[in-house]
Amino acid sequence: QQQVKQSPQSLIVQKGGISIINCAYENTAFDYFPWYQQFPGKGPALLIAIRPDVSEKKEGRFTISFNKSAKQFSLHIMDSQPGDSATYFCAASKDRNTGNQFYFGTGTSLTVIP
Amino acid sequence: ETGVTQSPTHLIKTRGQQVTLRCSSQSGHNTVSWYQQALGQGPQFIFQYYREEENGRGNFPPRFSGLQFPNYSSELNVNALELDDSALYLCASSLRDRNYGYTFGSGTRLTVV
Repeated sequence: QQQVKQSPQSLIVQKGGISIINCAYENTAFDYFPWYQQFPGKGPALLIAIRPDVSEKKEGRFTISFNKSAKQFSLHIMDSQPGDSATYFCAASKDRNTGNQFYFGTGTSLTVIP
Repeated sequence: ETGVTQSPTHLIKTRGQQVTLRCSSQSGHNTVSWYQQALGQGPQFIFQYYREEENGRGNFPPRFSGLQFPNYSSELNVNALELDDSALYLCASSLRDRNYGYTFGSGTRLTVV
């Protein structure tokens, strides 16, 4: 059973446009929601993360929007650049003081066209 | 500050064989987690090690086992390899009670033929 559902599977955006990736979860025990960026041949790298006590977090061109009641969160990439072309994964975790298992979405392949 | 290093980068094994993958943690990190990433999928949690003991395990059979050493490096062992074990195996290190700071290595690409 997929604990975190991610959409779309792939996304093509023009340079300068806004990329939006959505995730949904069911387990209300999750208390940490990170987004990871992965380039081919590399491991995932933490991009930005949010806790459920805030509705939005912005770091540079990247923003997470979090809707606790709907159990949804999304990543917005403003002014998308060709260098942003990568696969993006949302994730969720709970029980930070024990085995901190991350549940990942299935990924979104983003292509930014120059 | 060194990151997480994994070896080997690529590996080809025959069904039924055994494999050992290695991971060196990022400096200052004391917890190691292993993930399996099948092609086109998100990483799946295998297990985590802290203080040389398993500290959480995902939905993987016992033929997946691990070790953590006093220097916090780690090994993932897989026995009786199956074709479906073909995947990218990722190691992530973190600092206990600050587990949010996962640092992933570049992974080991295992192909089982």
